[in-house]
Amino acid sequence: QQQVKQSPQSLIVQKGGISIINCAYENTAFDYFPWYQQFPGKGPALLIAIRPDVSEKKEGRFTISFNKSAKQFSLHIMDSQPGDSATYFCAAMLTGSARQLTFGSGTQLTVLP
Amino acid sequence: GAGVSQSPRYKVAKRGQDVALRCDPISGHVSLFWYQQALGQGPEFLTYFQNEAQLDKSGLPSDRFFAERPEGSVSTLKIQRTQQEDSAVYLCASSPYRVPGAYEQYFGPGTRLTVT
Repeated sequence: QQQVKQSPQSLIVQKGGISIINCAYENTAFDYFPWYQQFPGKGPALLIAIRPDVSEKKEGRFTISFNKSAKQFSLHIMDSQPGDSATYFCAAMLTGSARQLTFGSGTQLTVLP
Repeated sequence: GAGVSQSPRYKVAKRGQDVALRCDPISGHVSLFWYQQALGQGPEFLTYFQNEAQLDKSGLPSDRFFAERPEGSVSTLKIQRTQQEDSAVYLCASSPYRVPGAYEQYFGPGTRLTVT
């Protein structure tokens, strides 16, 4: 059972454009939703995270939009740059338990110069 | 400060060999996690430690997988009698533990295991 579904699998955006990656979750008990960025040969690095008591969180060029009723959340990367080219993973966590992360399947983002 | 480190970075094992993968978490981090990442997939949870106690090992795929963290800092993931399906990147993550808060997990670079 895939508890966190991520789309699209790959995304190509022009420099300066907006990149949008979507995730949907099934377990309504999830209460922490981070996004990770991973470059080849590196471990995932935390970008930004949100709790379900807010609908949006912005940090620099990165914004999470959260829709609790739809059980969906998305990452928006504004003014996308070639250096943003990486694989992005959404994840979800039950903070009241062992706090393991359940990850989506990833989106490979390519930003063209 | 230093992040999470893992060694070796790459490991090639012949089928049937035992391997040991090491994780050095961020100093002072109470929580330690192991994940397995297959090629082109998201990481999948294997096991979780809080200090030296292994509180959740529900993600370990078989009894060939064993993890320990005897002194509450460094952790070792051991795989016995490796199989080709064990080929993956093994990621370690650590996290401070506070209630509430401190949910961030910091990942190491991973160990890429190839079983031939």
